[in-house]
Amino acid sequence: TQLLEQSPQFLSIQEGENLTVYCNSSSVFSSLQWYRQEPGEGPVLLVTVVTGGEVKKLKRLTFQFGDARKDSSLHITAAQPGDTGLYLCAALLNNAGNMLTFGGGTRLMVKP
Amino acid sequence: KAGVTQTPRYLIKTRGQQVTLSCSPISGHRSVSWYQQTPGQGLQFLFEYFSETQRNKGNFPGRFSGRQFSNSRSEMNVSTLELGDSALYLCASSLGQGVALTKNIQYFGAGTRLSVL
Repeated sequence: TQLLEQSPQFLSIQEGENLTVYCNSSSVFSSLQWYRQEPGEGPVLLVTVVTGGEVKKLKRLTFQFGDARKDSSLHITAAQPGDTGLYLCAALLNNAGNMLTFGGGTRLMVKP
Repeated sequence: KAGVTQTPRYLIKTRGQQVTLSCSPISGHRSVSWYQQTPGQGLQFLFEYFSETQRNKGNFPGRFSGRQFSNSRSEMNVSTLELGDSALYLCASSLGQGVALTKNIQYFGAGTRLSVL
């Protein structure tokens, strides 16, 4: 059982549709991060959320951290083919270093 | 500014062999972390080095080891390779200390894809 559970695992949608990806845990985290990974590349950090209830926007992407800091969501509005990739949530396991634990990932495909 | 560089990009080995992977971090970054990515287990933390010392270690057998040099470059070694070691090995670098959490960003390399036959 993973510490961070992501859903759905796979998502295939048409260009212009909206979608939401969820990242849930029974543990409380001081922060959560979202990454996007494209084929042949390493993950790239999209956002870090640190405050319960926090909402951050990155163009068409909206990230929310749950009030209890146990879960997070990523909402994409009007998805485009360029949004295709693997979306990963991650959390630092301790404050002494960079030991990240990752969710299983959501593989998104946006068809033109 | 050059990104994180991992070499080689692809590697094919046979069971029982050993392998060494290399990671050159972004200039000025003192922390280097290693991760293993497989379709079944996803991304899993191997270890982190900071200023030539192992600072954190994940739940992997002793066949997996690493080191960091004075210029922050890092290597990881896997001995007695098993079929299950086939994976994408990712390295990430960051400043590692003295900055706020939201500024201590980990930058990942493109990875080394290891196939064990």
